[in-house]
Amino acid sequence: DIQMTQSPSILSASVGDRVTITCRASQSINTWLAWYQQTPGKAPKLLIYKASSLEGGVPSRFSGSGSGTEFTLTINSLQPDDFATYYCQQYSDYCTFGQGTKVE
Amino acid sequence: EVRLVESGGMLVQPGGSLRLSCAASGFTFATYPLSWVRQAPGRGLEWVSSTSASGSSTYYAESVKGRFTISRDNSRSTLFLQMNSLRAEDTAIYYCAHPMGGILGYFDFWGQGTLVSVSS
Repeated sequence: DIQMTQSPSILSASVGDRVTITCRASQSINTWLAWYQQTPGKAPKLLIYKASSLEGGVPSRFSGSGSGTEFTLTINSLQPDDFATYYCQQYSDYCTFGQGTKVE
Repeated sequence: EVRLVESGGMLVQPGGSLRLSCAASGFTFATYPLSWVRQAPGRGLEWVSSTSASGSSTYYAESVKGRFTISRDNSRSTLFLQMNSLRAEDTAIYYCAHPMGGILGYFDFWGQGTLVSVSS
């Protein structure tokens, strides 16, 4: 099984900050990685797929990068709606999610 | 508008059974693979199972293999998850989701979820 490890688990930030979340895979997944945003009581929302492709309707302040085993999600100029939990997911071999990063 | 609406979640005793449903609308149901993803209270996301558009191919997480069965009725645009031999650790919100880029892809549409509680 491919394990996904996110860091940090909790990230304290302020409106306007640039935020970076890291996701590491236990083995190479090429660029088969997605990022999701989840707010309390809601279903996850797709932000990024294939490591760096922005889903339609997602603000351009969100960006993704990486390949192989190391990936990052960057939020430029954090907005009030961005305080949420973020998950990475690999889909190279079945599906595995990271444990989540809460941006507070 | 794509809609996925889950139902069937409830409190059930350990060892019991439950069948979840996911009613779909807004897209050609019979041409899309579908999946179940769950989230235990206060925890992260866990992929549970996926099925091809026809239902002929199915995939399961090791944690549910042999206990859960995914199926679909394309004439009724409905996805099912039959859950048997339920355990406390199956307690979670169960989401129906559409995988893109293949049966085991990333998820671009999600339902609102249905809560399953396994407790005596």
